[in-house]
Amino acid sequence: GAVVSQHPSRVICKSGTSVKIECRSLDFQATTMFWYRQFPKKSLMLMATSNEGSKATYEQGVEKDKFLINHASLTLSTLTVTSAHPEDSSFYICSARRGEGPETQYFGPGTRLLVL
Amino acid sequence: LAKTTQPISMDSYEGQEVNITCSHNNIATNDYITWYQQFPSQGPRFIIQGYKTKVTNEVASLFIPADRKSSTLSLPRVSLSDTAVYYCLVGDSGGSYIPTFGRGTSLIVHP
Repeated sequence: GAVVSQHPSRVICKSGTSVKIECRSLDFQATTMFWYRQFPKKSLMLMATSNEGSKATYEQGVEKDKFLINHASLTLSTLTVTSAHPEDSSFYICSARRGEGPETQYFGPGTRLLVL
Repeated sequence: LAKTTQPISMDSYEGQEVNITCSHNNIATNDYITWYQQFPSQGPRFIIQGYKTKVTNEVASLFIPADRKSSTLSLPRVSLSDTAVYYCLVGDSGGSYIPTFGRGTSLIVHP
């Protein structure tokens, strides 16, 4: 199956710093990628939809200036958590869509962010 | 988007068959049903997808009745490694489809 990677797998940072998370589709081109966050024992919550070459579409309640998304190529989308605070600590997961039709959604392994 | 409802949790024992049912009463004509498995601190993993009747692969079966208002994921002879959260998603997988997760079912397999 298709492979989606995320980097880093885990990151610890100080409050007030910014953290960038990369999501790559390794063996296919993804015109659309999605970013989720997941708190312990909770479901995945969609943050934004990222389309290559255009601005991301954010879900209601997600601050676009806080969570900067860039989808500069068909294989890479980045999520930057700006001025991170402890409440931003979470598990961030991306997914990439390969074309249309069934079985086209592939998820990355996730990035664990801990803000001290 | 069709809303899905699943049991919050289930318990089973090694070697048993586990059936997890998902309700999706307002499923649309073009919607597919997709099941994912998620282990702690990992991204969701695709298990199976179907549109109607029955689909089987090497890890699971998916049963979908004629009205498609529900679906049942069947895991044969579960093992401890099947302990995970299972999510049912419904959508048309087209260009406008946005995968949205419900609460999922936490399956615990006991020795």
